[in-house]
Amino acid sequence: QKEVEQDPGPLSVPEGAIVSLNCTYSNSAFQYFMWYRQYSRKGPELLMYTYSSGNKEDGRFTAQVDKSSKYISLFIRDSQPSDSATYLCASSNYGGSQGNLIFGKGTKLSVKP
Amino acid sequence: GAVVSQHPSRVICKSGTSVKIECRSLDFQATTMFWYRQFPKQSLMLMATSNEGSKATYEQGVEKDKFLINHASLTLSTLTVTSAHPEDSSFYICSASPWGGRQETQYFGPGTRLLVL
Repeated sequence: QKEVEQDPGPLSVPEGAIVSLNCTYSNSAFQYFMWYRQYSRKGPELLMYTYSSGNKEDGRFTAQVDKSSKYISLFIRDSQPSDSATYLCASSNYGGSQGNLIFGKGTKLSVKP
Repeated sequence: GAVVSQHPSRVICKSGTSVKIECRSLDFQATTMFWYRQFPKQSLMLMATSNEGSKATYEQGVEKDKFLINHASLTLSTLTVTSAHPEDSSFYICSASPWGGRQETQYFGPGTRLLVL
């Protein structure tokens, strides 16, 4: 079993829809949870970061972590065509600055106008 | 701020040749830089961690003699793929962690697409 599992999609939604992206992880020691957005042929860009369980909101984006079920979610409200990208979840037990991020495969999202 | 650049953005080379990829932090000093490899439809896989002025730490299964990493300054790390073979064709991405930055911070470069013929 991979440490971080993510459905690769693709996921296609109409503009304005609420998007739900999910990952599961297996390592109970993970404390840091990130979501990255990666446009085609570009490097990942950090979107959201959460430490331990709970919710975090930033504009149209909400990240949720449920450590009891080892479930990570990213919600995008009022989705826009510019949100079309691959979304990568990542987990770590020491934090991204120490490099040991374990990434999911990424979910490719397409928001249709 | 927090921009990381990579050069070249794409490179095509013949089998058996060596290729050098540069990673630069443009507006911050990076005590630690990381090199990842991403195959199509696969996760980013950490190859190695490099700290300025010291030897890189390689992940299990990554050949240190094949993937030479040099981190000579706080703003530059290089990855050299020696004697490249077609199976080394991949998307190589570096990232950098600012000195004194937040625990979760790791800024990624735009990646280098390597094709070995």
